[in-house]
Amino acid sequence: DQQVKQNSPSLSVQEGRISILNCDYTNSMFDYFLWYKKYPAEGPTFLISISSIKDKNEDGRFTVFLNKSAKHLSLHIVPSQPGDSAVYFCAASRNFGNEKLTFGTGTRLTIIP
Amino acid sequence: EPEVTQTPSHQVTQMGQEVILRCVPISNHLYFYWYRQILGQKVEFLVSFYNNEISEKSEIFDDQFSVERPDGSNFTLKIRSTKLEDSAMYFCASRAVTGLIVLTFGAGSRLTVL
Repeated sequence: DQQVKQNSPSLSVQEGRISILNCDYTNSMFDYFLWYKKYPAEGPTFLISISSIKDKNEDGRFTVFLNKSAKHLSLHIVPSQPGDSAVYFCAASRNFGNEKLTFGTGTRLTIIP
Repeated sequence: EPEVTQTPSHQVTQMGQEVILRCVPISNHLYFYWYRQILGQKVEFLVSFYNNEISEKSEIFDDQFSVERPDGSNFTLKIRSTKLEDSAMYFCASRAVTGLIVLTFGAGSRLTVL
């Protein structure tokens, strides 16, 4: 049951450049999407969210883009910093977040100094 | 910053034993959740809890699992008779009723079943 997919298990980006993490989903009932970051031995930490009524949401260095017709979202981090090195999870929910989160498998981002 | 606290951080148990994982959610949060992540796999939803009852559960959450809010601060996950495949990292999460719908996760409890 792979309703949320992150096809890149890992990504390396030079410090200061843009990191782009991608996520695809198959369930058209999903209407709320979140990105979480996870360091080893810690729980997932919320980064940014977007509901299906928008196609872009920005918070500081983080921007999430949603393409509903393609069932695709992406997280842009610019500029990338060494502290951004972590595993990034995309998650989706129905009913504007009032139902369970379905997570992707994660992308390990490594920022190269 | 408020945080979700989980204990123990690591528990090793024998197959067939009962295990209780404990969580202290953020104090003004009213929605509580358990998720788990088996090594190398994705984070999976187990159960959500609101107003002293289960609001949603996954097919993983069978009769061997139960949740309880025994007092005003703790939220527990009990596994009645552990199996080898229950070995995983278990994450508790909570969220507020109003405002941005965001789950705050604890650091997790690693369960190893031998």
